Amino acid sequence: NAGVTQTPKFQVLKTGQSMTLQCAQDMNHEYMSWYRQDPGMGLRLIHYSVGAGITDQGEVPNGYNVSRSTTEDFPLRLLSAAPSQTSVYFCASSYSGQGPQHFGDGTRLSIL
Amino acid sequence: KNEVEQSPQNLTAQEGEFITINCSYSVGISALHWLQQHPGGGIVSLFMLSSGKKKHGRLIATINIQEKHSSLHITASHPRDSAVYICAAQIGGGADGLTFGKGTHLIIQP
Repeated sequence: NAGVTQTPKFQVLKTGQSMTLQCAQDMNHEYMSWYRQDPGMGLRLIHYSVGAGITDQGEVPNGYNVSRSTTEDFPLRLLSAAPSQTSVYFCASSYSGQGPQHFGDGTRLSIL
Repeated sequence: KNEVEQSPQNLTAQEGEFITINCSYSVGISALHWLQQHPGGGIVSLFMLSSGKKKHGRLIATINIQEKHSSLHITASHPRDSAVYICAAQIGGGADGLTFGKGTHLIIQP
């Protein structure tokens, strides 16, 4: 069972570069989310989606873009990477808005 | 905005000890989640509860809605229980309704 798959696991970028973090789930979940995890802070919501074609901003959306063209995939795009975006990024999905969250293994991103 | 506080932030205990991690929140919620994160690893959902108590193996989660407080207990702790334990309070539906605590870093020494 694949669950939630994130790629890549590690990435180093230079300031100003762009990249896409991939997230795919095979559980037919409607709800998908992107979080960032920083030392000394709780997980913070970047963007989320309640179904294909529907996305919305979370607590810290600036500098990130998302789209949801299919139920399975929810990529996160960094438009112009900044050192403040150095973090561990987690994608999560759930069957319903109040159900248990299923997390991917995370992407550790460093911006130089 | 819901504030979620966990205590303690760090906990070191000996193998076999009974462990308690606490979580308090500031506003009424629809559910409380407990998550586990091993070092360098992903995040796993342990429990989701809205009342009473749930048990899975050596793990027990309780919630007191009136006091806005939840606890996670580990009985007969083992070094493999070493991880960060995170509570998250859910208000209504949707990912934007989740507020996460900062986590409790637990180390169980053999």
